[in-house]
Amino acid sequence: SQQGEEDPQALSIQEGENATMNCSYKTSINNLQWYRQNSGRGLVHLILIRSNEREKHSGRLRVTLDTSKKSSSLLITASRAADTASYFCATVQSQGGSEKLVFGKGTKLTVNP
Amino acid sequence: EAGVAQSPRYKIIEKRQSVAFWCNPISGHATLYWYQQILGQGPKLLIQFQNNGVVDDSQLPKDRFSAERLKGVDSTLKIQPAKLEDSAVYLCASSPVRRPVGRTKDGYTFGSGTRLTVV
Repeated sequence: SQQGEEDPQALSIQEGENATMNCSYKTSINNLQWYRQNSGRGLVHLILIRSNEREKHSGRLRVTLDTSKKSSSLLITASRAADTASYFCATVQSQGGSEKLVFGKGTKLTVNP
Repeated sequence: EAGVAQSPRYKIIEKRQSVAFWCNPISGHATLYWYQQILGQGPKLLIQFQNNGVVDDSQLPKDRFSAERLKGVDSTLKIQPAKLEDSAVYLCASSPVRRPVGRTKDGYTFGSGTRLTVV
């Protein structure tokens, strides 16, 4: 089953603009992760935010987490054409004493030069 | 360090045929995962191994899918017989340890995947 729901499903912006993607989830989490996937390629881990954190930065990425609303957002500032990809949020669910990663459906971002 | 290796990159088969995918995780990574990603959707976990034992295979269609991880290193995922709805990208990922809940510090490392087309 898929946990997260990303919004919007697709986003098209101009180079230099900021891109914001949102993720909502249903169950309690230990942490939430964002991944990027270029067309036809594997997933690349971008950033992890723990349930007791509210905001985290990494380069041009800013992630927020609101556990009361069960939602997260990923902001990419000063976007570049190379940022064109699909972005997925993934939540960690407990499973038999360990964890498993459950993905949402993703947001397809297109950055036009 | 070398990444997660998967082969083949692409495979086209007819329905009812069988197919196998291979994954070589990062050296020393005890936990290995197989995900299925249908076009336009997020990856779905099929099976999780800890060394050569199965931790979770609750979403593996066991009537046609099987997976093994001999010697706790490489893994193979097999589909027999394949159906049209099995067309997807099959992703392998690995992590260093079986992670107790709440102890995760890093993301997972994924391979480039195998794109399967069943015609």
